[in-house]
Amino acid sequence: RKEVEQDPGPFNVPEGATVAFNCTYSNSASQSFFWYRQDCRKEPKLLMSVYSSGNEDGRFTAQLNRASQYISLLIRDSKLSDSATYLCVVKGYGQNFVFGPGTRLSVLP
Amino acid sequence: NAGVTQTPKFQVLKTGQSMTLQCAQDMNHEYMSWYRQDPGMGLRLIHYSVGAGITDQGEVPNGYNVSRSTTEDFPLRLLSAAPSQTSVYFCASSYSAELVAEAFFGQGTRLTVV
Repeated sequence: RKEVEQDPGPFNVPEGATVAFNCTYSNSASQSFFWYRQDCRKEPKLLMSVYSSGNEDGRFTAQLNRASQYISLLIRDSKLSDSATYLCVVKGYGQNFVFGPGTRLSVLP
Repeated sequence: NAGVTQTPKFQVLKTGQSMTLQCAQDMNHEYMSWYRQDPGMGLRLIHYSVGAGITDQGEVPNGYNVSRSTTEDFPLRLLSAAPSQTSVYFCASSYSAELVAEAFFGQGTRLTVV
């Protein structure tokens, strides 16, 4: 089993749709959680960190369930510019970042 | 505000050639790392460093060497290039391996080995 698993995708959604991505991790010692965004042929960039209480940044909402070792990302009112691959990332203290394989999102006009 | 700088952006090598991918960061980050990204495989850790003079192997270290003589620089050396090393390589840095801090990436190097 991979350390971090994500919905395989791709997700093709119309503009304005709400889309949710799921991620599970196997290392219970993981302490920090992130969602990164990667545009085609570009480097990954931090979208948002994920906190235990859940957090929101504009149209983006991230949730963490430590008991189930599950992370989610919700995008509301999708824009064309949201088209990208979304990477789930986990890390423990003194440990390396572990990246999920990514879920590709295409927002269609 | 350079962040993480990788060079070159593109490179074509012949099988058996050696080369060094350069990575530099100006954020005084302790932790630096190299990843390769292949279609359907996600980002895989090659080598990492938690500070100057300290390096260690990641998930896929074979065929690669690293050194960390300064905080700023973390070059990746391909000893004898093979077609299996055709990939996109990313360098990343973070404030500390111990603390909860995000990783910053360089723009990547697209390497083709023929």
